[in-house]
Amino acid sequence: QKEVEQDPGPLSVPEGAIVSLNCTYSNSAFQYFMWYRQYSRKGPELLMYTYSSGNKEDGRFTAQVDKSSKYISLFIRDSQPSDSATYLCAMAGFSGTYKYIFGTGTRLKVLA
Amino acid sequence: ETGVTQSPTHLIKTRGQQVTLRCSSQSGHNTVSWYQQALGQGPQFIFQYYREEENGRGNFPPRFSGLQFPNYSSELNVNALELDDSALYLCASSSGYEQYFGPGTRLTVT
Repeated sequence: QKEVEQDPGPLSVPEGAIVSLNCTYSNSAFQYFMWYRQYSRKGPELLMYTYSSGNKEDGRFTAQVDKSSKYISLFIRDSQPSDSATYLCAMAGFSGTYKYIFGTGTRLKVLA
Repeated sequence: ETGVTQSPTHLIKTRGQQVTLRCSSQSGHNTVSWYQQALGQGPQFIFQYYREEENGRGNFPPRFSGLQFPNYSSELNVNALELDDSALYLCASSSGYEQYFGPGTRLTVT
């Protein structure tokens, strides 16, 4: 079993839709949860960073963490064509050694 | 822009050769991490340097090595290149768990 599971998509939605992206994980040592956006041939860009279970909102983006279920989500409201990219979840923790794991990424296409 | 720079942008090497990739971290960040990203995959953690010491390593063989300098810039060295080493190599700087990535170096091994 992979430590982080993420559906690779692709996911196509119409402009204005609410997008839901998800990851599950298996390692309880992960304490920090991130979402990155990556455009083609660019480095990942940090979108959201959370530590505890619950919701965190930033503009059109909401990150949700449920540590009891080992499940994290990113919601994008009022999606725009410029949101078309690959979205990567990432998790980090320290138990003897530092560990930072990315999901495989979900390709999102928002249609105008 | 994150302020993290990487050089070179692209590189072509032959199997068996050695390569050095460079990264300048964002001002104020004392931690640098390196990742390998194959096409269609998420970044794979290679290792992390904190104040010039390696403090975490992923599942990569010893022919992947690194250095961090007193100004917190960093190098990734790969010896005895293999075809499977062809990938985008990403550097990220941080002062906590939030990482800021550079644009990457695309390495092709032929």
